[in-house]
Amino acid sequence: AQKVTQAQTEISVVEKEDVTLDCVYETRDTTYYLFWYKQPPSGELVFLIRRNSFDEQNEISGRYSWNFQKSTSSFNFTITASQVVDSAVYFCALTRPLTGTASKLTFGTGTRLQVTL
Amino acid sequence: DSGVTQTPKHLITATGQRVTLRCSPRSGDLSVYWYQQSLDQGLQFLIQYYNGEERAKGNILERFSAQQFPDLHSELNLSSLELGDSALYFCASSPPRGGRNEQFFGPGTRLTVL
Repeated sequence: AQKVTQAQTEISVVEKEDVTLDCVYETRDTTYYLFWYKQPPSGELVFLIRRNSFDEQNEISGRYSWNFQKSTSSFNFTITASQVVDSAVYFCALTRPLTGTASKLTFGTGTRLQVTL
Repeated sequence: DSGVTQTPKHLITATGQRVTLRCSPRSGDLSVYWYQQSLDQGLQFLIQYYNGEERAKGNILERFSAQQFPDLHSELNLSSLELGDSALYFCASSPPRGGRNEQFFGPGTRLTVL
């Protein structure tokens, strides 16, 4: 069975601070995919990043960066110089590849990030 | 805008009633997934359809059913509604042959059962 743990329920930071959201996963699959989604107060789920298990390169996209470490089964997400607009719930998710179609996503419980002025 | 549409956006109904949630996937996507987001259960996978056929089932109650039609839109039917069914219901779609394993989510339908 697959499992995703986001131990941080809620994080509060002041604008311009850096913040890291933790994600630890469990899977027996050797090939899998990890995702981060953002859910702003409006409620929609916004895709942020996809990473497959073969690619352990860290990735940076603007103020966002992701640290994937297979050895510790972690896929952490850092926001640099946080802004009020970053306030949202962030979900880490895991899926296994299937032939012909994408597989169901297993989500963590989410981390609520509150950025204040 | 992900290209996935869901209607209605909000739904308020009473216990014991039946409702239908509708989803139209992105153009060209053959898979449709339904997820439920509730306060106590979090985001949970309910069911997946691929080109009209049920492909995978998650924690979907017997009171709930779904189908995918020939035009690939999908409907999630919830019956004998209980207070605990109040949740945000998401539909997602993915490209044929799995693509990059990405799922594109619709804006959700917020169901309130009174």
